[in-house]
Amino acid sequence: AQKVTQAQTEISVVEKEDVTLDCVYETRDTTYYLFWYKQPPSGELVFLIRRNSFDEQNEISGRYSWNFQKSTSSFNFTITASQVVDSAVYFCALSEALSSGGSNYKLTFGKGTLLTVNP
Amino acid sequence: NAGVTQTPKFQVLKTGQSMTLQCAQDMNHEYMSWYRQDPGMGLRLIHYSVGAGITDQGEVPNGYNVSRSTTEDFPLRLLSAAPSQTSVYFCASRSRQVMNTEAFFGQGTRLTVV
Repeated sequence: AQKVTQAQTEISVVEKEDVTLDCVYETRDTTYYLFWYKQPPSGELVFLIRRNSFDEQNEISGRYSWNFQKSTSSFNFTITASQVVDSAVYFCALSEALSSGGSNYKLTFGKGTLLTVNP
Repeated sequence: NAGVTQTPKFQVLKTGQSMTLQCAQDMNHEYMSWYRQDPGMGLRLIHYSVGAGITDQGEVPNGYNVSRSTTEDFPLRLLSAAPSQTSVYFCASRSRQVMNTEAFFGQGTRLTVV
């Protein structure tokens, strides 16, 4: 069965430190997508990035970068020079087919990592 | 852009009361789902629907009912609220047939059952 594991329940860093959030997934699908969402203290869920299973290029967006390694089934998220505003819960998610070979897809979420950035 | 609209934002119920959490989306998405979020448990899927008239159970369906009479609306019903249903509830929608599309979430409903 498809599964997403975020082993880090909570991480606490001091502002300007770099921090990496780990995500490991399991799937039998050969084509799949991975996502990261951010949930700030205000509670809404904010989409950050998607990555497909055929594209292992790392992606950088400002202070955010993502490292996708198919060989280890990991999709890790790094925040460089963290800021207090980065404090949030971060969720990794996997897009999976509802049935084998089907065309209906749903998202499976990890349990999330609470990141606290202290001034 | 309305996106996904959930109502109410906050609700307090007494044990045994019933209520309906409303969810509406204006993006013509086939796939809609309800999640509950509890501390340390992440987002757990309650029920989902792949189109009008089609619903199915997720990971934690007990105590909840859903129906999907239109593409736009996907209400979640609590028939007899229990304290274990105290949680934050999120409704989400996404395109059913496009694997790479992200889910769009409502603002959430914080439900307390006393």
